[in-house]
Amino acid sequence: GAVVSQHPSWVICKSGTSVKIECRSLDFQATTMFWYRQFPKQSLMLMATSNEGSKATYEQGVEKDKFLINHASLTLSTLTVTSAHPEDSSFYICSARDLRGRGGNQPQHFGDGTRLSIL
Amino acid sequence: AQRVTQPEKLLSVFKGAPVELKCNYSYSGSPELFWYVQYSRQRLQLLLRHISRESIKGFTADLNKGETSFHLKKPFAQEEDSAMYYCALSGPNAGNMLTFGGGTRLMVKP
Repeated sequence: GAVVSQHPSWVICKSGTSVKIECRSLDFQATTMFWYRQFPKQSLMLMATSNEGSKATYEQGVEKDKFLINHASLTLSTLTVTSAHPEDSSFYICSARDLRGRGGNQPQHFGDGTRLSIL
Repeated sequence: AQRVTQPEKLLSVFKGAPVELKCNYSYSGSPELFWYVQYSRQRLQLLLRHISRESIKGFTADLNKGETSFHLKKPFAQEEDSAMYYCALSGPNAGNMLTFGGGTRLMVKP
């Protein structure tokens, strides 16, 4: 089946550090990947849609300069949290849309998530 | 705007009892509905989608356009069904992105 690998799984760093999170589709190509944020005991909130070869589309309220997204290849998207602060501490999850599926809405496959803890 | 509502944050049943996890949605057009499951310490994974009309692990869900609902059902719950369940919606109007409900934690007691 389709596998999405997310790295690292847990990051602890000092306030002011920039952190890069990688999302890779291992056995399929993904022109579109999605980045979500999940606070404790809450649901996933879409942050942005990452499009291969073009700019990401950000949801309302998400700072583009804070959360930099790069989708340089068909199997890799990165999210960089720039100058992270304690309020950025959260669980970040990526997903990739598998174009091999039938129908107009191909399923999304999720990574394991990255726990970001800013001290 | 599209929205997915799961009214119950927690659902607790005994093993062997029937289960129904409620999901209501609002969307202008023809959405596709999904149920995702997240077992303890595991990644989110697709359980089923309405377009497939299939039963996975004994779970079924029927899209009711009149009531704008996509409730998840299982006639006899098992302990291993304990997990977080998320209802999600996707549609061409929103670039095929997923909108998630708040999630329902299902606890199946022995």
